[in-house]
Amino acid sequence: GENVEQHPSTLSVQEGDSAVIKCTYSDSASNYFPWYKQELGKGPQLIIDIRSNVGEKKDQRIAVTLNKTAKHFSLHITETQPEDSAVYFCAASTGGYQKVTFGTGTKLQVIP
Amino acid sequence: DTGVSQDPRHKITKRGQNVTFRCDPISEHNRLYWYRQTLGQGPEFLTYFQNEAQLEKSRLLSDRFSAERPKGSFSTLEIQRTEQGDSAMYLCASSLGSLNEQFFGPGTRLTVL
Repeated sequence: GENVEQHPSTLSVQEGDSAVIKCTYSDSASNYFPWYKQELGKGPQLIIDIRSNVGEKKDQRIAVTLNKTAKHFSLHITETQPEDSAVYFCAASTGGYQKVTFGTGTKLQVIP
Repeated sequence: DTGVSQDPRHKITKRGQNVTFRCDPISEHNRLYWYRQTLGQGPEFLTYFQNEAQLEKSRLLSDRFSAERPKGSFSTLEIQRTEQGDSAMYLCASSLGSLNEQFFGPGTRLTVL
């Protein structure tokens, strides 16, 4: 089955700096890569996703990149704000019934 | 609020008791998923429904676990003879058709004493 590795497990940045979270996946059939933000006491919330036919996608301060050859994908958050503090999960899916395999999460702390 | 609701939000039970959780997906979503999340880990897939049909079950879903979606709307997840290892957050998600985006509910946190 699919295995998704994520690092770092914790990340502290100063407000206004950029944050980068990296993931790798094992199943070359994976074609959909969502990123979720989870705040304390809440379920994961989709913040951005990318499909295998796209190398990069941007939405305001958030961008994702995908390297299918290397099976790497990354989340970039620019101009970080305290409200960006949360746990972020990368995930991979092989489509079909969309069984999603999650990484182990990155706890991001933005220091004001 | 994603539109997916779960009940109860918290459940404390004694080992050996049975518990049942409910998930109400976004009304037009035909796909419903259950995940389990333990502390410090990402959600792990448990099972998936398309309408009322349960199409996939993870090996994590032992015989003590059963899930239903009788009318293709809400779903229930029952755990029989709970064990301390069942303590976790149980998350429900729903999606529409072939779109991959899954919307998660707030979860039910189970504590088995």
